[in-house]
Amino acid sequence: AQSVTQLDSHVSVSEGTPVLLRCNYSSSYSPSLFWYVQHPNKGLQLLLKYTSAATLVKGINGFEAEFKKSETSFHLTKPSAHMSDAAEYFCVVSPYNFNKFYFGSGTKLNVKP
Amino acid sequence: EAGVAQSPRYKIIEKRQSVAFWCNPISGHATLYWYQQILGQGPKLLIQFQNNGVVDDSQLPKDRFSAERLKGVDSTLKIQPAKLEDSAVYLCASSFTCGENTEAFFGQGTRLTVV
Repeated sequence: AQSVTQLDSHVSVSEGTPVLLRCNYSSSYSPSLFWYVQHPNKGLQLLLKYTSAATLVKGINGFEAEFKKSETSFHLTKPSAHMSDAAEYFCVVSPYNFNKFYFGSGTKLNVKP
Repeated sequence: EAGVAQSPRYKIIEKRQSVAFWCNPISGHATLYWYQQILGQGPKLLIQFQNNGVVDDSQLPKDRFSAERLKGVDSTLKIQPAKLEDSAVYLCASSFTCGENTEAFFGQGTRLTVV
């Protein structure tokens, strides 16, 4: 069975401070893992993806995530938050070669000036 | 590259009415998905097509929802009759094929309000 748990429904940080959005997954098969961002009234945009190559994945806008198989985690980080990062972030698991995408419940990131 | 196109962007209907949504995936993408995103939740898969065949419709409420993908390109999702709890954003996505580098590309969605 496949599932994704995003441990925080809301995260609030100050501009210029680090961001950590946590994600744990469960998958019966070697998974691909993704982070998508959704700005208000916009579509889902891919931030980054892990597909069994390097465990540290770099994405757009300075975000990165580390795949830790032993912890079944794929946390999203950014060294310094920007006001434009305020959005909802979704962690997604896709069992290898199954072409299916299972979403977490999302984490809303608020960035304070 | 053109993205996934959806229309309309917004729709307001009364309960028991019917409504249809349209999706045009990225050219060459064999797999098409319809997701339902209720406010405050992550997207939930309703139906998945591979070309014009249904791969997974286990979460589709078939008594009121239907979907088709004629000729393996465009797709329509219909709700008849609508209920208040169908108020959500309906997202269409497409992906190229199976494999390690597969990712899903999403449209901007249709926001449905049932009153």
